[in-house]
Amino acid sequence: QSVLTQSPSASGTPGQRVTISCSGSTSNIGSKPVNWYRQLPGTAPKLLVYSNDERPSGVPDRFSGSKSDTSAFLAISGLQSEDEADYYCAAWDDSLSAWVFGGGTKLTVL
Amino acid sequence: QVQLVESGGGVVQPGRSLRLSCAASGFTPSSYAMHWVRQAPGKGLEWVAVISYDGGDKYYSDSVMDRFTISRDNSKNTLYLQLNSLRVEDTAVYFCARGSYGSAKMGWFDPWGQGTLVTVSS
Repeated sequence: QSVLTQSPSASGTPGQRVTISCSGSTSNIGSKPVNWYRQLPGTAPKLLVYSNDERPSGVPDRFSGSKSDTSAFLAISGLQSEDEADYYCAAWDDSLSAWVFGGGTKLTVL
Repeated sequence: QVQLVESGGGVVQPGRSLRLSCAASGFTPSSYAMHWVRQAPGKGLEWVAVISYDGGDKYYSDSVMDRFTISRDNSKNTLYLQLNSLRVEDTAVYFCARGSYGSAKMGWFDPWGQGTLVTVSS
């Protein structure tokens, strides 16, 4: 059972907008920045969004992050087939004195 | 470019030990916190441990506390993870990742190495 809760799966058609959510508590998302990672099959994860809503160089602006209270959100607009991947949220947890990940959301492009 | 390369994985019996290494290049590791993250077969990511830029702060997940030890040798640009009292459930790909400039509790994980597989089996 992950400290951060994500829906196991999400789907959309090409061109659509999809939102992946990540639910936590006051000791993590509620008080700490959230980061998002994308993992393509058989590869290492890559940073997608950091500090809630910042994109690293090279990440298209189709990807956007946001946060509200103890939940964080990753929105992907203009969905493309290559967006099929696993998406993970992560944050520092003050109560656990540990970094925590969400269980991951598998995105399928129909 | 910034690169992390893990090594040291393999097949080991339950109760035995293993040491993983992560060689860094393309940046000055001594300025950054460094992490280990693992992924069991078919499962999600699980954070394992972090060490601050100077080795002064270390944090571990509950699942590995008192069994695993994270360390670093900044003179060799290398991060280590000593795995003791290994269990079948420690079987996973172990990734190292660069953390924040300085603090172990802040920042993000970027970049990641390609991972090294540890299999614990009798």
